[in-house]
Amino acid sequence: EPEVTQTPSHQVTQMGQEVILRCVPISNHLYFYWYRQILGQKVEFLVSFYNNEISEKSEIFDDQFSVERPDGSNFTLKIRSTKLEDSAMYFCASRDEQGTEAFFGQGTRLTVV
Amino acid sequence: GENVEQHPSTLSVQEGDSAVIKCTYSDSASNYFPWYKQELGKGPQLIIDIRSNVGEKKDQRIAVTLNKTAKHFSLHITETQPEDSAVYFCAPSRNNDMRFGAGTRLTVKP
Repeated sequence: EPEVTQTPSHQVTQMGQEVILRCVPISNHLYFYWYRQILGQKVEFLVSFYNNEISEKSEIFDDQFSVERPDGSNFTLKIRSTKLEDSAMYFCASRDEQGTEAFFGQGTRLTVV
Repeated sequence: GENVEQHPSTLSVQEGDSAVIKCTYSDSASNYFPWYKQELGKGPQLIIDIRSNVGEKKDQRIAVTLNKTAKHFSLHITETQPEDSAVYFCAPSRNNDMRFGAGTRLTVKP
C-alpha cells in the first residue's frame, strides 16, 4: 500500500540552526501539507502546497519557514533559525485532490536544545 | 480562518458502550468533513469522512452525521473495543486547507 514517508524520524538541533525535514508524498498525489503537533496538543496546520506553490498558510508559518518540492518527489520543510518553541512532531500529508482522504506520514520529532 | 471546536476533550467508556464526539465549525463554505484517529506515536489516519451533500454515512461500527445548518458534525462509535482507544480529530475543510480540532482522547475500559 502506498504511504507517505518522512525522514528523519527524530532530529535534534541546536537553537539558531537550520533544519530541513523531508517527506516523500504518495506518487500520484497533487496536494501536500505540513502540520505540527506539540506534545499532547492539537495538530496545527502550517502550510499547503499545490502546483509548485503555496496555496494556504497559517499564522505559524512565518518567514522562518519555507517549503520546496525540489525534484518532483520530495517535499521539504525548512526552518531557518530554530527556536526552542519549534520543538514538536512535524507531519507531512498528501492527497490526490481536494475533499478526499489525506494520508499522513509517521512524523519527524524535532527537538531544539 | 476556520474555527473548529471539539467536545468532549476526553471521553471514557466501558467496552461495548457507544461513544459520540461532536465537532463544531465556523466556515459555512466547508464542504468536506473527515474524522481522523491518532494512535500513540503515529500520524493521524482517516477513519470516516462525509461530504456536504450527505447527512449521514456509516461504516460498520463507525458513523458520521452532518448538520450543515447548525455547522456541526459528529462521530459515533458503537460497540466500542479497547483498540478504539486513541485521540480523534475532526478536520472540516474547504478548498485546500484542513484545520484540525483540538482532539478527543477516547479511552475504552475493558
